[in-house]
Amino acid sequence: AQSVSQHNHHVILSEAASLELGCNYSYGGTVNLFWYVQYPGQHLQLLLKYFSGDPLVKGIKGFEAEFIKSKFSFNLRKPSVQWSDTAEYFCAVNGSGGSYIPTFGRGTSLIVHP
Amino acid sequence: DAGVTQSPTHLIKTRGQQVTLRCSPKSGHDTVSWYQQALGQGPQFIFQYYEEEERQRGNFPDRFSGHQFPNYSSELNVNALLLGDSALYLCASSFQGRGGNTIYFGEGSWLTVV
Repeated sequence: AQSVSQHNHHVILSEAASLELGCNYSYGGTVNLFWYVQYPGQHLQLLLKYFSGDPLVKGIKGFEAEFIKSKFSFNLRKPSVQWSDTAEYFCAVNGSGGSYIPTFGRGTSLIVHP
Repeated sequence: DAGVTQSPTHLIKTRGQQVTLRCSPKSGHDTVSWYQQALGQGPQFIFQYYEEEERQRGNFPDRFSGHQFPNYSSELNVNALLLGDSALYLCASSFQGRGGNTIYFGEGSWLTVV
C-alpha cells in the first residue's frame, strides 16, 4: 500500500521568504508524484507532477519540487512566496502503471503575511 | 473546455437520510474517482469508475455506492447518513489512455449531516 506523510501541518511566512514543504512517501515500486494546491474557496489544482526523467520539476507560479528517490521524498519549494500563495498544499503519490488513484497526504496549511 | 463539474455545491441532510451527488468529468475524460475530504484532512479515496463499472474501492462501507453513465458522468450515493459523513466530496476525472494519469478535481459538494 502507498502512503504519504507531510510533516509540516501549518506554516506561517512573511512575503519574500523562501518556502520548503516536506513530503515523504511509502511505496515499493515506481511512483508518480504530485503537488496539488487548494486556494481558499477553490478546488484542488495541480501545481506540478513527476512521472520520470529530470527529478527537479518546475510547476506553475514559480513552484518547483525535487524527487529524491533514495529519501523517498518530493519536497515542494519556492524561493520567494507571495501573499497570494496562502493556501492548503497536498502531496500525492500513486504507483505508476496502476489505476491512477493517488493517495494524498494530510496537507500543509500555508499562511503568508503581507 | 469544461472542467469537472459537480452538483449540488452545498447541501444539508438529516441523520439516516440518503444523498446523491453528481459529477460530470472534464471533456475527453472517461474515468471518474470520488474522494471524501474531512475538515483539516487530505482527500480520502472512496472509489473509481471506468467503463460504467467500479474498478477500485477505498476503505469505505457499503453505504457508499456509485454509478457511471454511458456519457461518463457519475453519481455518488450515501445511504443511512451519519454525522461523520459531513465532509467535502470531491469528484476527479482522468483519461485512461497513454500518459493520462493526471486527475483533475471539481469544486466539490459540501455535505452537512445534522
